[in-house]
Amino acid sequence: GEDVEQSLFLSVREGDSSVINCTYTDSSSTYLYWYKQEPGAGLQLLTYIFSNMDMKQDQRLTVLLNKKDKHLSLRIADTQTGDSAIYFCAENSNYQLIWGAGTKLIIKP
Amino acid sequence: DSGVTQTPKHLITATGQRVTLRCSPRSGDLSVYWYQQSLDQGLQFLIQYYNGEERAKGNILERFSAQQFPDLHSELNLSSLELGDSALYFCASSGRTSVEQYFGPGTRLTVT
Repeated sequence: GEDVEQSLFLSVREGDSSVINCTYTDSSSTYLYWYKQEPGAGLQLLTYIFSNMDMKQDQRLTVLLNKKDKHLSLRIADTQTGDSAIYFCAENSNYQLIWGAGTKLIIKP
Repeated sequence: DSGVTQTPKHLITATGQRVTLRCSPRSGDLSVYWYQQSLDQGLQFLIQYYNGEERAKGNILERFSAQQFPDLHSELNLSSLELGDSALYFCASSGRTSVEQYFGPGTRLTVT
């Protein structure tokens, strides 16, 4: 069945890089997504990658996709306090998004 | 601001009642999606409409129903509410390609 898995927490020091990992199971997914949710707020689309790509970079964000291992990662360079949030990985399957449980990113000063 | 609006922001109601949540998609978007976010189930897809027609159905209970109107706004109706229906309900919209889904701020439903 479809299942997206992420670790629940990641703690990094301000200024360091954060790497959030995700594994998915549906090999037919054409797009994979990263969303950000700040406390009390909605879901903000950060970036997405087409399944035939290996990497996508957008300013401080780098997405890496290993299709063979069904592994997706989001790297945030120079992590700032404003990056504190829950990050959700999602895959599209039959017009719907299947979501991971979210990784809470904690920034240490 | 994603351009997707949802009303109301908060809703408190009693078990057994019925509520209606409303969503207006971004200008020009034809697709509307409904998701439920709860502590125990996480984010779950409920249903999608495209230009007034139901396109995909997820884990939506029979007590729940939705529709999309000619002006493309959508409503999610929740009836015979139970305590376990307490959750954040998100609406999202997307354009013709359905690649990018943009989310509204959500409606927080509390059933007491």
